[in-house]
Amino acid sequence: SQQGEEDPQALSIQEGENATMNCSYKTSINNLQWYRQNSGRGLVHLILIRSNEREKHSGRLRVTLDTSKKSSSLLITASRAADTASYFCATSLQGAQKLVFGQGTRLTINP
Amino acid sequence: DGGITQSPKYLFRKEGQNVTLSCEQNLNHDAMYWYRQDPGQGLRLIYYSQIVNDFQKGDIAEGYSVSREKKESFPLTVTSAQKNPTAFYLCASSNERGTSAYNEQFFGPGTRLTVL
Repeated sequence: SQQGEEDPQALSIQEGENATMNCSYKTSINNLQWYRQNSGRGLVHLILIRSNEREKHSGRLRVTLDTSKKSSSLLITASRAADTASYFCATSLQGAQKLVFGQGTRLTINP
Repeated sequence: DGGITQSPKYLFRKEGQNVTLSCEQNLNHDAMYWYRQDPGQGLRLIYYSQIVNDFQKGDIAEGYSVSREKKESFPLTVTSAQKNPTAFYLCASSNERGTSAYNEQFFGPGTRLTVL
């Protein structure tokens, strides 16, 4: 099964509401990263949280990391139609020279 | 402009043909990566390179080949041995050194390959 599994697979909310996406993983990590992908485009890095950090903010984004539960969440506050995209978590594994990406959450913001 | 470019944006291939996808970066990054993305799916790693003249297989390397003759370039060849090559291909680079991938990756815009 996947190192990074995301939940839900799809999320549809109204503009202005908050959106929460979750990511679970299986092995020890150096850090966990969140990326965004607009349809048919490349990925854009949003935020990185290290294994010794518990929470991080960037603008309307809030990321939490619980290493005891091997899980992370991405919260987007006051969502906008432009936030419509797929969101991926990626884990940096200890001793591995690569990131492992989850399957992604497709977020739709309805105006 | 600093960044990572991929060409072409769309590519059509007949069965049995090899095709090469271009990836160039001017970010002075040591590490480069190739991923495959199928509809509605996440990214799967094909090959990666930590340094010039060296590269390693990722999770789905069969039917693909790469070269890293220059720091800024990491072309991917999709060979006729790849049974189901129709997919979206993404190239990325990062400022990595050492034994672990710590840093953010910068992605190109992708190449959509369709086998006719």
